[in-house]
Order: sequence, then C-alpha cells, then structure tokens
Amino acid sequence: GNSVTQMEGPVTLSEEAFLTINCTYTATGYPSLFWYVQYPGEGLQLLLKATKADDKGSNKGFEATYRKETTSFHLEKGSVQVSDSAVYFCALRGGADGLTFGKGTHLIIQP
Amino acid sequence: NAGVTQTPKFQVLKTGQSMTLQCAQDMNHEYMSWYRQDPGMGLRLIHYSVGAGITDQGEVPNGYNVSRSTTEDFPLRLLSAAPSQTSVYFCASSSSRDRVNEQFFGPGTRLTVL
Repeated sequence: GNSVTQMEGPVTLSEEAFLTINCTYTATGYPSLFWYVQYPGEGLQLLLKATKADDKGSNKGFEATYRKETTSFHLEKGSVQVSDSAVYFCALRGGADGLTFGKGTHLIIQP
Repeated sequence: NAGVTQTPKFQVLKTGQSMTLQCAQDMNHEYMSWYRQDPGMGLRLIHYSVGAGITDQGEVPNGYNVSRSTTEDFPLRLLSAAPSQTSVYFCASSSSRDRVNEQFFGPGTRLTVL
C-alpha cells in the first residue's frame, strides 16, 4: 500500500533561517504529491502540489520538487518567518481512495 | 462561497451514545471524504464518496457509517461511541476522484468520548 514518511520534529529554527523538511513516499503507480499546512486550531490548507515527476510546486516562498528516482518531495524555504510556525503534512494521492498522509512536522520559528 | 463547513465544532459524548457529525460543501464537488487526526498519527481516511449515492471504506472505517444522498452533504455517524474514537475529525472535498485534484478541508470537529 501507499505510505509517506516525514521528519516529525519539532523543528526549531531562527527567523530568516533556511528550511528543509524531508518527505519520502512509497506508492504504486503515479501519485500526485502535496504539502498541507495546519495552523493552531484550524483545518488543513493546501500549500503546494506536484502531479508528475520533475514538477516543482511553489507557493508563498515554499518549494518542493517531485523526485521519482528518489521517491521524495522535500519542502524548502529560503528564509522562514515567525508566521511560518505551524504543522506541515506531506501527502500523496493515488486515486479515488483519498490522501495518504505523513505524521506531520511541527515547525517552530523563533524571532 | 463558504467552502467546506462542519458542525459541531466541539462535542463531548459518553460511551455508547450515538451522534452525527455534519459536513457540507458549496463547491459542487463530486468527491467527499472523512479523516480523523490523532496525535503522532497524521490523518487517516475513514470513509469517502465519489458521488451522490456512492460510498466506500477507507483505512479506519470500523464504528462509523456514512451516506451521501446529495452532492452537498456527507454526514458521519458514530453508532455507539467508544473512548478510542476521541479525535479531531476533518471533512474534505475535491472536484473529482482524479489524483491531480487537491482536497479542501473543513475546520474540524473535536470529539471527546468519556
């Protein structure tokens, strides 16, 4: 079956630091890959997505590239802000049976 | 455009009680789904629907029922609540079952079973 593995954290960084959150997956076929973000007390919001190999998703300064050869979709941002503090979920979708999520990475940005 | 709405926001039940979590979307989405979120577990799929009148089980369906009589609504029923069902429940929808479509999430229902 499908599975997603991501670093769980918490990850604590200083403002303006470079961010990488690792995500690897196992799937049959050709899934789409997603990063969702959850702020405290809220639902999940789509951050970015990629639907085929070598696609790069980007949004709000965050980027991730769909690497089929390494089955990875690592999230990066060049300079984080305090407002980026949240829980980040890597997920894949292979078809009708919904999203398969990683366990989430709690990111804390200190001023 | 309200997106995906869920009610109630919070609920406390006693073991053995039943209840329905409501979910509605106003985006004319074909696909709807329910997830539960538990600490350290991420989100896990409970049930999903690819259209009105069609439902199917996800990863953790035991203890839950669903039905889809309209495109807009997808209620989740707990038949006899157990403490193991204490969780945060999220409803989500997408335009179709196609893998390229992102899912839009509601704000969640926090359920405690005593």
